[in-house]
Amino acid sequence: DVKVTQSSRYLVKRTGEKVFLECVQDMDHENMFWYRQDPGLGLRLIYFSYDVKMKEKGDIPEGYSVSREKKERFSLILESASTNQTSMYLCASSQSSYEQYFGPGTRLTVT
Amino acid sequence: DQQVKQNSPSLSVQEGRISILNCDYTNSMFDYFLWYKKYPAEGPTFLISISSIKDKNEDGRFTVFLNKSAKHLSLHIVPSQPGDSAVYFCAASTIQGAQKLVFGQGTRLTINP
Repeated sequence: DVKVTQSSRYLVKRTGEKVFLECVQDMDHENMFWYRQDPGLGLRLIYFSYDVKMKEKGDIPEGYSVSREKKERFSLILESASTNQTSMYLCASSQSSYEQYFGPGTRLTVT
Repeated sequence: DQQVKQNSPSLSVQEGRISILNCDYTNSMFDYFLWYKKYPAEGPTFLISISSIKDKNEDGRFTVFLNKSAKHLSLHIVPSQPGDSAVYFCAASTIQGAQKLVFGQGTRLTINP
């Protein structure tokens, strides 16, 4: 079974803090993705990566950056957290198929 | 612009009846479609998919129908069970999109006993 884990289920941060969200997958997948889920907006792609040290912007990359130093790990970084980044963050991975496997999500609250 | 749209935010169905969830898309380049199911406090899980070369795909109680001319797909669940209560997302992709998925807004399905 594919397992995608995320470092925290719930996180509360203050405005202006730097925030790191970690994601690890155990199936040697090439592709990894970060989404945010907001009511009425569905899942929106922030960044994705096809390989180690490679990254591409998704639909809403502003205010975020990513890091992929190892194949199994994909980190999402909020350089200076703002209240409009309060959301559910979901990490996913995939190999050669369209099917993506998701982690449980991190609910981030920025106050 | 929302390329994949689920216009019904919620749907309530009696247990044992058929649930029909709808999804519309605008990008004619989409060639693969998926449905995901999401319970609260969990990540989405893959349910069923369909390629654009087909118009129907069935897996147990779940059937997905694709109408390319109308740019419309639907998920049928029959019979509906209480465990089907969840948020359902449709998603679409293109070969050029290299496995990126574009998701709809989601529909919350509630199955009433």
